[in-house]
Amino acid sequence: DTAVSQTPKYLVTQMGNDKSIKCEQNLGHDTMYWYKQDSKKFLKIMFSYNNKELIINETVPNRFSPKSPDKAHLNLHINSLELGDSAVYFCASSHFYSYNEQFFGPGTRLTVL
Amino acid sequence: GIQVEQSPPDLILQEGANSTLRCNFSDSVNNLQWFHQNPWGQLINLFYIPSGTKQNGRLSATTVATERYSLLYISSSQTTDSGVYFCAVEGGGTSYGKLTFGQGTILTVHP
Repeated sequence: DTAVSQTPKYLVTQMGNDKSIKCEQNLGHDTMYWYKQDSKKFLKIMFSYNNKELIINETVPNRFSPKSPDKAHLNLHINSLELGDSAVYFCASSHFYSYNEQFFGPGTRLTVL
Repeated sequence: GIQVEQSPPDLILQEGANSTLRCNFSDSVNNLQWFHQNPWGQLINLFYIPSGTKQNGRLSATTVATERYSLLYISSSQTTDSGVYFCAVEGGGTSYGKLTFGQGTILTVHP
């Protein structure tokens, strides 16, 4: 009965590679998000989608491309990975894109070597 | 955008002690949430509390929106309360529709 799930949980890859992280929510929410947590534990939003439409793009390099095939899924594809991309990436969802509680997935720890 | 400041940055307690964590924010908020990030990295929702007071077991929270702060109270702390506590807010304007996180309070509870 997992609410927000992400795969994979861990991802170790070489610089220059392309990788994807998948997120799914079974809460029936309309809005999904990607957040990045850096090595100092600071959490910052990257993107949000409402009903498959991009509504927030927080000055993230265009090597990062989110894709929402439907309301329940939001994937994150990263091209040409760099060392600085190493972080924990969290997916989240909420009923609507404002005034609503957000629920987070378990996170994906990405390590770029 | 909205600024969020949490205090104290670190807190060390003996099991059974009580504590208060504070979150100050720079503007009016549409949403305020408290999270606990456990040692395994999971972000656990504690409270959704843009205003008012809520209680859940040993934890309670109060947000005074007009004075732009929120407090998280932990009573009779247990070792499983250890981890990082985050306050996150959604403001208006450029902060609309996204959570801005504070830097967190690292809580360590010793047996």
